[in-house]
Amino acid sequence: DAGVIQSPRHEVTEMGQEVTLRCKPISGHDYLFWYRQTMMRGLELLIYFNNNVPIDDSGMPEDRFSAKMPNASFSTLKIQPSEPRDSAVYFCASSLKYNSPLHFGNGTRLTVT
Amino acid sequence: DQQVKQNSPSLSVQEGRISILNCDYTNSMFDYFLWYKKYPAEGPTFLISISSIKDKNEDGRFTVFLNKSAKHLSLHIVPSQPGDSAVYFCAAIGGNNRLAFGKGNQVVVIP
Repeated sequence: DAGVIQSPRHEVTEMGQEVTLRCKPISGHDYLFWYRQTMMRGLELLIYFNNNVPIDDSGMPEDRFSAKMPNASFSTLKIQPSEPRDSAVYFCASSLKYNSPLHFGNGTRLTVT
Repeated sequence: DQQVKQNSPSLSVQEGRISILNCDYTNSMFDYFLWYKKYPAEGPTFLISISSIKDKNEDGRFTVFLNKSAKHLSLHIVPSQPGDSAVYFCAAIGGNNRLAFGKGNQVVVIP
């Protein structure tokens, strides 16, 4: 089992550009979560999916953020347009059930200049 | 609104000694608690959990204690090893609440 796979590991972009983060969850996991980690706010849940359906997106900071899960093995988090305050580490995680321990990917470190 | 709080952001401990990490929560609906460990440039990994029906759970060198009346839990690592140097996150879930994380504690084990 390769675990949760995220790409890219690092992304540096200029303000105003579109950014797309990618995630492949563990096969068989029904839940997929997108988290953002910053020094100020720690780990924040942005959105989660159950069986590819978005369930709770109340953590998505603004309309500039969107997430999709077109199938059970792939999800994207898109920021358009990006801003410097979006700079953070973005983690994808998956789990068998909602209350099961999360399996995290290694994250994408996003820097917006 | 930080529902899970981890004070004392960093801890240094001598190898072989006990590391104690503390976590407080505010939401009485939380009924399942987890600890995650994170190395630099990696995602958090699950370490140990405890249900609210228990007050202690042990797994090898790691023990989690839960005091529901005080809304407090702690993680004990004994004996501490250099490989335990990492950031430890406390997390809680329950009711209709989403999983909430604390901001983490940095542990440094000195050989």
